[in-house]
Amino acid sequence: TQLLEQSPQFLSIQEGENLTVYCNSSSVFSSLQWYRQEPGEGPVLLVTVVTGGEVKKLKRLTFQFGDARKDSSLHITAAQPGDTGLYLCAGVGSRGSNYKLTFGKGTLLTVNP
Amino acid sequence: DTAVSQTPKYLVTQMGNDKSIKCEQNLGHDTMYWYKQDSKKFLKIMFSYNNKELIINETVPNRFSPKSPDKAHLNLHINSLELGDSAVYFCASSHVRRTGVNTEAFFGQGTRLTVV
Repeated sequence: TQLLEQSPQFLSIQEGENLTVYCNSSSVFSSLQWYRQEPGEGPVLLVTVVTGGEVKKLKRLTFQFGDARKDSSLHITAAQPGDTGLYLCAGVGSRGSNYKLTFGKGTLLTVNP
Repeated sequence: DTAVSQTPKYLVTQMGNDKSIKCEQNLGHDTMYWYKQDSKKFLKIMFSYNNKELIINETVPNRFSPKSPDKAHLNLHINSLELGDSAVYFCASSHVRRTGVNTEAFFGQGTRLTVV
């Protein structure tokens, strides 16, 4: 069973601060996705990283995939109240697992004005 | 147009009842999923269908029975509902490319099931 450990589980910061969310596993994933979920809605994809060591930037958000494709991080620079939400990482398994999408337990981020 | 739509959005029912949640996607995806999100926000996969064929069946009580009449629909029927079944259930769809890279999963808005 492929498990994803996501940390921290809760994060409350002030506007303008930086933060990093981590997603770790002992398993290798073919790719890894980051989602953001707002209250009353389903998760929405932010980014997919595929290659080990890959770094992708989405405005103030920087996503990195570990060299061994077992871990990933999400760094937010100068957080804003609009960044508040539940951030979920999801690993895509291999063909043998029918490319199962396994989610981490999420990081609930609150950015205070 | 809504990409993945599930109904109902809210469902309050008594223990022991049988209920169904419907899901439809208009994205032309070949894979559909049911996820359960508990009160701690943990999103756990329950089932996955690829081209109407069940490909993932996690450890879920057999009171839960998915049905896929066609590639665009995946319904979830729950028998003999229990208090512990209370959660938000999400339907999702995606398309798995030949390279094995799973495109993004599009989620419905969720069905908040409350068993009383």
